[in-house]
Amino acid sequence: DAGVIQSPRHEVTEMGQEVTLRCKLISGHNSLFWYRQTMMRGLELLIYFNNNVPIDDSGMPEDRFSAKMPNASFSTLKIQPSEPRDSAVYFCASSFSGTSQETQYFGPGTRLLVL
Amino acid sequence: KQEVTQIPAALSVPEGENLVLNCSFTDSAIYNLQWFRQDPGKGLTSLLLIQSSQREQTSGRLNASLDKSSGRSTLYIAASQPGDSATYLCAVPFYNNNDMRFGAGTRLTVKP
Repeated sequence: DAGVIQSPRHEVTEMGQEVTLRCKLISGHNSLFWYRQTMMRGLELLIYFNNNVPIDDSGMPEDRFSAKMPNASFSTLKIQPSEPRDSAVYFCASSFSGTSQETQYFGPGTRLLVL
Repeated sequence: KQEVTQIPAALSVPEGENLVLNCSFTDSAIYNLQWFRQDPGKGLTSLLLIQSSQREQTSGRLNASLDKSSGRSTLYIAASQPGDSATYLCAVPFYNNNDMRFGAGTRLTVKP
């Protein structure tokens, strides 16, 4: 298995533009997690899905952020409009069953820079 | 609110040394604790997961211990190698909850 796949790996955009980050889960996994990593705040959970259903989105910073799972193996995280403070590395991770007993497998991350 | 602290923030050791990384958490009602490794510009790789009912887990040269009552975990690396150089993070989920709280990490450098 190729592991969790994220695209793009790097994104540079201007403030106000829409940004879409993509994630493909490991085959057979049914839970997906979006994280944001910054120097100031470390790793933060933004949202997670179990069986395509959003379970907890309390970590989503504001309405400019939205996440979807159009099918069981794919997810998008959208920022519209983007702001410089959104600059961070965004990771997605997947696991089987979505309980805390299962290891989460992380993708390589998308490094986002908003100018 | 669960807070996770890792000490030290950075550590540099010569190759071959045994070393200990520390992780502390404020709420002992945890489901488990995980140690991750992150290489520069890369994602996280899970190293060890300790269930709340366990005291330790071992994988090769790595040994992680858990003391829930004191809110502490340690990651012991035996006979360190330059390839062990990375940032090591511990993470704790809330009980029966997938909201994982990560420590800020310990950046380890093993000098040849």
